Amino acid sequence: EDKVVQSPLSLVVHEGDTVTLNCSYEVTNFRSLLWYKQEKKAPTFLFMLTSSGIEKKSGRLSSILDKKELFSILNITATQTGDSAVYLCAVEALGGGATNKLIFGTGTLLAVQP
Amino acid sequence: DAGVTQSPTHLIKTRGQQVTLRCSPISGHKSVSWYQQVLGQGPQFIFQYYEKEERGRGNFPDRFSARQFPNYSSELNVNALLLGDSALYLCASSFIAGGGSPLHFGNGTRLTVT
Repeated sequence: EDKVVQSPLSLVVHEGDTVTLNCSYEVTNFRSLLWYKQEKKAPTFLFMLTSSGIEKKSGRLSSILDKKELFSILNITATQTGDSAVYLCAVEALGGGATNKLIFGTGTLLAVQP
Repeated sequence: DAGVTQSPTHLIKTRGQQVTLRCSPISGHKSVSWYQQVLGQGPQFIFQYYEKEERGRGNFPDRFSARQFPNYSSELNVNALLLGDSALYLCASSFIAGGGSPLHFGNGTRLTVT
């Protein structure tokens, strides 16, 4: 059965700290791995990773994928209180009929204290 | 540009009733997917529609059905509601269905079944 596992489940840090969130997966017909940030309602798209070893960056956030070891990390440097959210990792699996369903992990709850 | 819009935002129903949730995708997006997110869990795939055809279905009972209209908007129907159907229902759109195009989520409909 396809699964995506995130760790840690929750994390409390202080502003300015650097955090690393982990995501491992076992998914057949892997196409890509995506990171989302969910604050209250809509998950907001952060990154889509398809190739191993190529880091994607957006401001203080960066992410990398290892397709051999089947994991990805999301790094946030110089954390701010606005980074407090649930971070969701999802793997896109190609299915029959050209579906691209996402298989999500349970998320990592990040709390950044002032 | 407007993002994915969903209605209603909140809904309270009684066991055994039926509910219809609505979704309008981002302009130009032809694929709509539905996800169920139970509190404390990651979203779970329910359906994907592309060009008005069902392209994928998750592990949900036949009480769940959906359709996509010529303008690419979509409805999710749930019949014979159970307490366990209480969740946040997320709609997501993407430009294509076959992968490589990240899903963009709406704010969801919070369904409470009493």
